[in-house]
Amino acid sequence: GQQVMQIPQYQHVQEGEDFTTYCNSSTTLSNIQWYKQRPGGHPVFLIQLVKSGEVKKQKRLTFQFGEAKKNSSLHITATQTTDVGTYFCAGQKETDYGGSQGNLIFGKGTKLSVKP
Amino acid sequence: DAMVIQNPRYQVTQFGKPVTLSCSQTLNHNVMYWYQQKSSQAPKLLFHYYDKDFNNEADTPDNFQSRRPNTSFCFLDIRSPGLGDAAMYLCATSRDGSTDTQYFGPGTRLTVL
Repeated sequence: GQQVMQIPQYQHVQEGEDFTTYCNSSTTLSNIQWYKQRPGGHPVFLIQLVKSGEVKKQKRLTFQFGEAKKNSSLHITATQTTDVGTYFCAGQKETDYGGSQGNLIFGKGTKLSVKP
Repeated sequence: DAMVIQNPRYQVTQFGKPVTLSCSQTLNHNVMYWYQQKSSQAPKLLFHYYDKDFNNEADTPDNFQSRRPNTSFCFLDIRSPGLGDAAMYLCATSRDGSTDTQYFGPGTRLTVL
């Protein structure tokens, strides 16, 4: 079945350092979504990418969708303590006709801790 | 204002004692989802409703049932909770389907004694 793999599982950084999490799928994705879950909280939607090679930015966060639509990354520049949490990617399988199939499949998440 | 509300936030039950978790939404979304999330793991989809159409995931145990009496409300019934069912249960909604953004509720943390 479809799998979405995310690495690393944990990342500890010093405040001000950059952070990147990577997401890889075994199948081509019609779209990929990124969510952030703060400790003790619930997942909150960050962004959705749908186009091959798409890059989107939100302040210090940069999201990329690979050319083959099988991988994605989230990069945070100059981390702050408010960035602490677990970042999940979630993808949906693309059909042969370019549509979407099935439910969102979540990666296992990357837990980010930031040392002040 | 809260858009996806879950009650209770914390639920303690005894092994084998049925429990019902509730979710309500003010977004008027067509789709409602129930996820199970264990510590340090990804949310695992149990089932979802597209309007009144119920969709069960293949690996969701029979112990888990759901009801959606109207657009706004959805319930998760655990008929005979086991120790392995202790988890955070997240309700989410989306306007139409998986392509759309999912809005998660705060979750209900279930403890099984």
